Amino acid sequence: DAGVTQSPTHLIKTRGQHVTLRCSPISGHKSVSWYQQVLGQGPQFIFQYYEKEERGRGNFPDRFSARQFPNYSSELNVNALLLGDSALYLCASNLDWVNTEAFFGQGTRLTVV
Amino acid sequence: QQQVKQSPQSLIVQKGGIPIINCAYENTAFDYFPWYQQFPGKGPALLIAIRPDVSEKKEGRFTISFNKSAKQFSLHIMDSQPGDSATYFCAASEGPSSKIIFGSGTRLSIRP
Repeated sequence: DAGVTQSPTHLIKTRGQHVTLRCSPISGHKSVSWYQQVLGQGPQFIFQYYEKEERGRGNFPDRFSARQFPNYSSELNVNALLLGDSALYLCASNLDWVNTEAFFGQGTRLTVV
Repeated sequence: QQQVKQSPQSLIVQKGGIPIINCAYENTAFDYFPWYQQFPGKGPALLIAIRPDVSEKKEGRFTISFNKSAKQFSLHIMDSQPGDSATYFCAASEGPSSKIIFGSGTRLSIRP
């Protein structure tokens, strides 16, 4: 039984470039959330999507965007990468958008050089 | 603004001891308080969670104590084992939303 899958697992980008991270939620889960975890800190909420609509947005610049597809998978896009965007990007899957148990993927480690 | 404050930052305990991690929150609208365990290179995994209408919850060797009036909650790990060595995060969320506010984390090391 597959859990939350994220791709790629690791990524190195240059400042100013664009990146797309992907997430597939647990089968049957309709809500996907994205978090940024900087080394040594707790995850910070970026976005939540439910039934392809944005349901929540954290305190991140407009360079960050996301979308959810009809199969409930999701993409996180970051434009004009900065060194400070280097972090572990986590995707969480929920059955719905009410505060039920969140299941996290292993994350994508993004390094901006 | 740190909505969930966690302490200590790191903790070393001998095998069999009872590590205690403490958290405090400010937003009285929070109504769901989960604890997550994270191993290096992995995503956080839910350990145990509590709602504010309950003062204590036990699941296996993990216990949450909750003090609504003090706006504090804590995690106790009974009979700790070296395999419990990980980073632990307390967290909170509010209302009909899956948005989770995490604490800063506690790096726990259990010595054999």
